[in-house]
This record gives sequence, structure tokens and C-alpha cells, in this order.
Amino acid sequence: DAGVTQSPTHLIKTRGQHVTLRCSPISGHKSVSWYQQVLGQGPQFIFQYYEKEERGRGNFPDRFSARQFPNYSSELNVNALLLGDSALYLCASSPWTTMTYNEQFFGPGTRLTVL
Amino acid sequence: GENVEQHPSTLSVQEGDSAVIKCTYSDSASNYFPWYKQELGKRPQLIIDIRSNVGEKKDQRIAVTLNKTAKHFSLHITETQPEDSAVYFCAAPASGGSNYKLTFGKGTLLTVNP
Repeated sequence: DAGVTQSPTHLIKTRGQHVTLRCSPISGHKSVSWYQQVLGQGPQFIFQYYEKEERGRGNFPDRFSARQFPNYSSELNVNALLLGDSALYLCASSPWTTMTYNEQFFGPGTRLTVL
Repeated sequence: GENVEQHPSTLSVQEGDSAVIKCTYSDSASNYFPWYKQELGKRPQLIIDIRSNVGEKKDQRIAVTLNKTAKHFSLHITETQPEDSAVYFCAAPASGGSNYKLTFGKGTLLTVNP
């Protein structure tokens, strides 16, 4: 079962550093969304990409950026890490149609700890 | 944007009892309402969803109801089992029928006691 995959699983960084998180969507899915989940809260939307273009952005600072590659995989980059960036970063894969809302399927996440 | 409120934040039931979790949303244009189950340390998993053209949807012991007039939807779990213990999240699309962004509730920690 080739579900959504993310790497790395865990990551420890120090304040001010930069981090890159990676996601591969379900085969055939062309849309990737990124969410941040702080402990005890629901996921919060960061970005959505489709066909290598940003289709939506949540309320996150410019330190957060992302991109999507021709094979539909995606990277999330966070610069100048802050302690408050510590969270589970989830990637969600979705087919894309304009006719109806599409289910989003989450990957296992990357647990980022900023010290 | 969409605002999703979820209640209760914690729910404890005895095995075999029913559990109900309720959510309200603010954007009347929203047309898709998924529910996710997240076990400790794992990914959120889609367990059921409902679209605005139906009022109720059932899948074995799980059902979701939708009241568009009142702008609320609920998750019903019958004959609860210990493996139902998890955090449950409701969600709704932001910006009405937006095809990408989900706004999540804060979650309900369900504990099923054997």
C-alpha cells in the first residue's frame, strides 16, 4: 500500500537553523498540502500545491516556504527556526478535481524539535 | 475564513456505550465535512466524511449527521470498543467550497473504558 510518505521521521534542530522536510504523495495524486500540528491542537494549514504552483497559503510567516516537483513530491522549508516551530509537520495528499471537494490523506508526519 | 468549534474536548465512555462529538462551522458555503481519528503518535486518518447534499451517512458503527441550517455536524460511534480510544478531529473547508484548505477543530480525546 503506497500511501503518503514523509522524511525524515524525526528531526532535532537548534534555533536559527534551517530545515527541509520532504513528502511523496499517493501515486496518482497531484495535490500536496502541508499542515503544522502543535501538541494538543488540530492541524493548521500552511500551504497547498498543485502542478508545481502554490494554490493556497495559511497564516504563517515568510520563513516558511515550499515547492512541488514534476513528480508531485514536495518540500517544506523553514528558515531561522524558532522554539515555537516545534511541532508535527504533516503532508496531505489529494487528487485534484474542480468538480467536488477532494479527500485529503495524511502522511505519518515529521516530528520537528527546536532546541 | 472558516471557524470550526468542536465539543467536548474530552469524552469518557464505557465499552459498548455510544459516543457523540459535535462540531459547528461558520461558513454557510462549506460543503464537505470530514472526520479524522488520530491515535497517539500516529497520523490523522480519515474515518468518514459527508457532503452537503446528504443529511446522514453511516459506515458500520460510525455515522455522521449534518444540519446545514444550524451549521453543525456530529460524529456518532455506537457500541464503542477500547480501540476506538483516540483523538477525533472534525474539519471543514476554509473559504466555503475551497478545494484545498481544511480548518480543523481542536479535537476530542475519546477514552473507552473496558
